[in-house]
Amino acid sequence: GQQVMQIPQYQHVQEGEDFTTYCNSSTTLSNIQWYKQRPGGHPVFLIQLVKSGEVKKQKRLTFQFGEAKKNSSLHITATQTTDVGTYFCAAAFYNTDKLIFGTGTRLQVFP
Amino acid sequence: DVKVTQSSRYLVKRTGEKVFLECVQDMDHENMFWYRQDPGLGLRLIYFSYDVKMKEKGDIPEGYSVSREKKERFSLILESASTNQTSMYLCASSSPGGSEKLFFGSGTQLSVL
Repeated sequence: GQQVMQIPQYQHVQEGEDFTTYCNSSTTLSNIQWYKQRPGGHPVFLIQLVKSGEVKKQKRLTFQFGEAKKNSSLHITATQTTDVGTYFCAAAFYNTDKLIFGTGTRLQVFP
Repeated sequence: DVKVTQSSRYLVKRTGEKVFLECVQDMDHENMFWYRQDPGLGLRLIYFSYDVKMKEKGDIPEGYSVSREKKERFSLILESASTNQTSMYLCASSSPGGSEKLFFGSGTQLSVL
């Protein structure tokens, strides 16, 4: 079936350090979405990328979609303790409405 | 404010019991989904529905069924609960089309003893 690989599984950083999580699919994607889940919470939508090579920014967060639309990354510059949580990518494939989630990257930020 | 409501935050059931997990959304969304979340495995799709009385299997439908009698309500049913179904269950809804974001409920932590 359709799968999305996400790495790393965990990342511990010192506050102020950068953080990146990556998602890869063997199949070309229709679009990719990113979600954040705070500890004890539910996933909340962050952004959607649709176009090949697309780059979007939200303050310290930078999202990229690969040229082949098979991979994506989320980069956080100068992490803060409020960035703690698990970040999921969710891949949309052509001809279906379902989203396939990556396994998530759990980010821990030490002050 | 948009809302997806799951009937229980925590649930404890015994092996072999029939379990109903309820989800209601107030956004008039056509699409509704049930995921389960387990450590290290991310969110895995159990079932989804595009319309009333319509359902499709996700990636892990075994041991589950669903019901969608009304547009706003999507129920997940465990016919005979087993210990390996202990998990966090998340309901979500979205507008139709593969480009629409999901709105999640707060989740139900189910423990099967």
